[in-house]
Amino acid sequence: GNSVTQMEGPVTLSEEAFLTINCTYTATGYPSLFWYVQYPGEGLQLLLKATKADDKGSNKGFEATYRKETTSFHLEKGSVQVSDSAVYFCALTYTSGTYKYIFGTGTRLKVLA
Amino acid sequence: ETGVTQTPRHLVMGMTNKKSLKCEQHLGHNAMYWYKQSAKKPLELMFVYSLEERVENNSVPSRFSPECPNSSHLFLHLHTLQPEDSALYLCASSQEGAAKETQYFGPGTRLLVL
Repeated sequence: GNSVTQMEGPVTLSEEAFLTINCTYTATGYPSLFWYVQYPGEGLQLLLKATKADDKGSNKGFEATYRKETTSFHLEKGSVQVSDSAVYFCALTYTSGTYKYIFGTGTRLKVLA
Repeated sequence: ETGVTQTPRHLVMGMTNKKSLKCEQHLGHNAMYWYKQSAKKPLELMFVYSLEERVENNSVPSRFSPECPNSSHLFLHLHTLQPEDSALYLCASSQEGAAKETQYFGPGTRLLVL
């Protein structure tokens, strides 16, 4: 079946460090891939997305590339800030009669000043 | 108000109580969702409504009862819950024209069942 696996956290980094959060997926067909972010006390909000192979999603300095050959969608940022501390969710969508969204377990990021 | 709002933000209830969670979307979307978020687990999709009709019910216990009176409002009625039902309940909406649209989430209701 379809699934999303992302690295377990928490991830703790110093400000201005490089960030990678790994995400791999299993899916039939051609899913769209997403990264959502959840700040403390808030709901999830879309960070970036990619809808086909080799697409790169980017937003607020974060990037992720849809790699079909490795079934991956790793999240990266060159220089993290304290304000990036949050929980990050990798997700995919596909259709199978109805609309399906599958989320990973989330990775908590803590950035220290 | 803009986006997706949820009330109440926090709820404590006993196992014999009946309560309801409310979600309202101000985005003109035609699909709404309830999710359960528990620690160290993936988000669990509970219910999906598209054009006010329930199109998904992921084996959720009958003590959870959804209601979608119109495309802007979604309720989750709760009765005789168990302590393991304590979690963050998230509502989301999307515009289902294509199958891969972005979902917009509310801030959630933090539920504690005693």
